[in-house]
Amino acid sequence: AQKVTQAQTEISVVEKEDVTLDCVYETRDTTYYLFWYKQPPSGELVFLIRRNSFDEQNEISGRYSWNFQKSTSSFNFTITASQVVDSAVYFCALSEDYGQNFVFGPGTRLSVLP
Amino acid sequence: EAQVTQNPRYLITVTGKKLTVTCSQNMNHEYMSWYRQDPGLGLRQIYYSMNVEVTDKGDVPEGYKVSRKEKRNFPLILESPSPNQTSLYFCASTARGGGRNEQFFGPGTRLTVL
Repeated sequence: AQKVTQAQTEISVVEKEDVTLDCVYETRDTTYYLFWYKQPPSGELVFLIRRNSFDEQNEISGRYSWNFQKSTSSFNFTITASQVVDSAVYFCALSEDYGQNFVFGPGTRLSVLP
Repeated sequence: EAQVTQNPRYLITVTGKKLTVTCSQNMNHEYMSWYRQDPGLGLRQIYYSMNVEVTDKGDVPEGYKVSRKEKRNFPLILESPSPNQTSLYFCASTARGGGRNEQFFGPGTRLTVL
């Protein structure tokens, strides 16, 4: 069975600090996809990134970066120079190929204090 | 504008009174899903549909029904709601390829069952 663990329930940082959100997954599939979504206080779910199991290259998008390591089954998310607008709940998710079995982690609530 | 819409956004009802939450997408997506979000549990999949007239259970289907008579619509039906179905519900759609693609989420429906 697929499973996603986000061990950090809540994190608080002061603006401009770097913060890393951890995500550990379990799957027996050789082909799978990993996602990060952001849920700001307004409640909508915002797609951030998708990564497939064959692509272990790290990705950077502005202040956001992702570190995918198959050896440790982790897909961690780092925000550099955090801002108050980064305050949100962040979800890591795992899906199988073609199917619709999306599994979400419990989420990490990030609070960025001014 | 590409979007997933849900109605109603907020609903307070009483135990046993049948209700339907509608979901519609305008992106011609084949795949649609329903999730519920509860504190500490993240999003859990209730039902999903891979195409018209094709539906299947997710992780927490008990107490829910769905139908997919048209490609764009995927209503969630609670025949006899109970207080443990008080939750935040999200509808999502995905393009052909299912798990390979990110999901587009509706704005959410906050349901309270008294």
